[in-house]
Amino acid sequence: EVQLLESGGGLVQPGGSLRLSCGASGFIFRNYAMSWVRQAPGKGLEWVSVISASGANTYYADSVKGRFTISRDNSRNTLSLQMNSLRVEDTAIFYCAKISRVPAADFDYWGQGTLVTVSS
Amino acid sequence: QSALTQPASVSGSPGQSITISCTGTSSDVGGYNYVSWYQQYPGEAPKLMIYDVTNRPSGVPDRFSGSKSGSSASLTISGLQAEDEADYYCSSFTSSNQYAFGTGTKVTVL
Repeated sequence: EVQLLESGGGLVQPGGSLRLSCGASGFIFRNYAMSWVRQAPGKGLEWVSVISASGANTYYADSVKGRFTISRDNSRNTLSLQMNSLRVEDTAIFYCAKISRVPAADFDYWGQGTLVTVSS
Repeated sequence: QSALTQPASVSGSPGQSITISCTGTSSDVGGYNYVSWYQQYPGEAPKLMIYDVTNRPSGVPDRFSGSKSGSSASLTISGLQAEDEADYYCSSFTSSNQYAFGTGTKVTVL
């Protein structure tokens, strides 16, 4: 059974940093691209970032480019998102999601999410 | 990148059919057959319902179907059931190697 478990969320002040992690199990992690998707309270889904299976290629939404860094450790089946220069508008539930294949737009498995709150 | 456009809400009676539209551009929906649809209940993570425009993952009822014409995609729910009341989002791969989600549609079963 595929499982994705996010951690690392919490309360941080504007301008601060936070690192999210996503532990994966139930599939061969190193074979699949992975992504982060976020959802502000009461709002819709917003794609954040994607990383290729090997980790060699990364892409970001314009809203986070230059502030967020996605990475992965295939030896530990872990996906990470380093978030710097956080803004109030970054407040959201952050989901990690597995991508079934590339290129494609189907996020076939999702974690339950971790809440990031940016507030003073 | 801009969000894909969906109607804010769609409603229907049990047994009826409803269709949710998802409008993009030639750089996303119109340029690729990589459109997917997600169902989300309050407080839960999204669930993949349709991928590659028309395909259903294992376990998704066949009353959910997808289609595309030009830069617009659609999700149709036939034989609407009470359990279909949820939020629905479309998603597309884009020309910038990015992804775009739709604005989301709240489906209400009357």
